Amino acid sequence: GAGVSQSPSNKVTEKGKDVELRCDPISGHTALYWYRQSLGQGLEFLIYFQGNSAPDKSGLPSDRFSAERTGGSVSTLTIQRTQQEDSAVYLCASSHTSYEQYFGPGTRLTVT
Amino acid sequence: GQSLEQPSEVTAVEGAIVQINCTYQTSGFYGLSWYQQHDGGAPTFLSYNGLDGLEETGRFSSFLSRSDSYGYLLLQELQMKDSASYFCVVSSYSGAGSYQLTFGKGTKLSVIP
Repeated sequence: GAGVSQSPSNKVTEKGKDVELRCDPISGHTALYWYRQSLGQGLEFLIYFQGNSAPDKSGLPSDRFSAERTGGSVSTLTIQRTQQEDSAVYLCASSHTSYEQYFGPGTRLTVT
Repeated sequence: GQSLEQPSEVTAVEGAIVQINCTYQTSGFYGLSWYQQHDGGAPTFLSYNGLDGLEETGRFSSFLSRSDSYGYLLLQELQMKDSASYFCVVSSYSGAGSYQLTFGKGTKLSVIP
């Protein structure tokens, strides 16, 4: 079946603009995660959705970052007033277990 | 909070065996898993240990000791394509059916001829 998809694959934006990144998880997966990865670095946890529970937002770096998940499926990560330090690859993953995540190809965000 | 320690880089010769260690400190520990990520690619799941002991999947094995808060990934018969970053990941239970996954900073494995 289809894997996790993300769009856009690449996004170049000017400093100060808002961006929206989209994630389509694998159908039936109740858990959805967003991560950020800078070049050559590890994965930085951003936010986690599990079913209908309140999301775990503990990893969001500032109030410029927000995310929602509609109908327990598609998720959108929004970054307002982008800064150059927001440049990174944003990865989305979905899961139906406590340990195995399926990652999307990521969105490479460049803030100029 | 959660913390994981793994070596930042390892170099090994093609055909050899390499072990990547991971130590962790966490509350609500549930299990340890490993992910592989090639340059420019997304992480992919390799293995999971929920119980103490060794899990074997082909050339890869993973080990967990809960009492020592320690695990490792063992790669045998190394191939050039195994050159990648390997992440140790802790699953911890955060209540109400929710699990938090914490990634280590990753170990960059370079396999040389």
